[in-house]
Amino acid sequence: DQQVKQNSPSLSVQEGRISILNCDYTNSMFDYFLWYKKYPAEGPTFLISISSIKDKNEDGRFTVFLNKSAKHLSLHIVPSQPGDSAVYFCAASGSGTYKYIFGTGTRLKVLA
Amino acid sequence: KAGVTQTPRYLIKTRGQQVTLSCSPISGHRSVSWYQQTPGQGLQFLFEYFSETQRNKGNFPGRFSGRQFSNSRSEMNVSTLELGDSALYLCASSLSSPNQPQHFGDGTRLSIL
Repeated sequence: DQQVKQNSPSLSVQEGRISILNCDYTNSMFDYFLWYKKYPAEGPTFLISISSIKDKNEDGRFTVFLNKSAKHLSLHIVPSQPGDSAVYFCAASGSGTYKYIFGTGTRLKVLA
Repeated sequence: KAGVTQTPRYLIKTRGQQVTLSCSPISGHRSVSWYQQTPGQGLQFLFEYFSETQRNKGNFPGRFSGRQFSNSRSEMNVSTLELGDSALYLCASSLSSPNQPQHFGDGTRLSIL
């Protein structure tokens, strides 16, 4: 049972435009959500997180939106840069569990 | 500040052997988690340790085990290796308070022949 789903395996975007990566979850007990970026031969790098008490969190070019009623979150990257080309994973955690469930990832390619 | 360190980076084993992977967390981080990454499967949670105790466990067979030492360093052991165990094994550490991001090492690439 895939509790965290990233339905788009890949996404291509022109440099300077907005990249929108989507993630859906099924477990209503999740209350903390994160996005990671992963380059080949490296471990995932933490990008941004959001708690369920918020619906938006912003950090520079990265903004995460959370829609609890739809059990959906998205990561917006504006403007997209070639260096953003990587695999992006969303993850979720339930209250106090310290257990993180990851999606299968979306490969983002930013075209120069 | 040093990141999460995993050793070795690459490992080749044959079926039936056993293997031990090591992880040194970020200084001050007491929670250590292990994940298996295979193509198309994302990161599958193996287990999480805190204060030398396994606090969470994923859905992996008993051949996969781990432990944590008093200095928070952790090891993962896989016994009776199978071809399907070929994967990237990632370790992540975090502070022990709730809603803290995990920080990952670069992983150990395990290949089973």
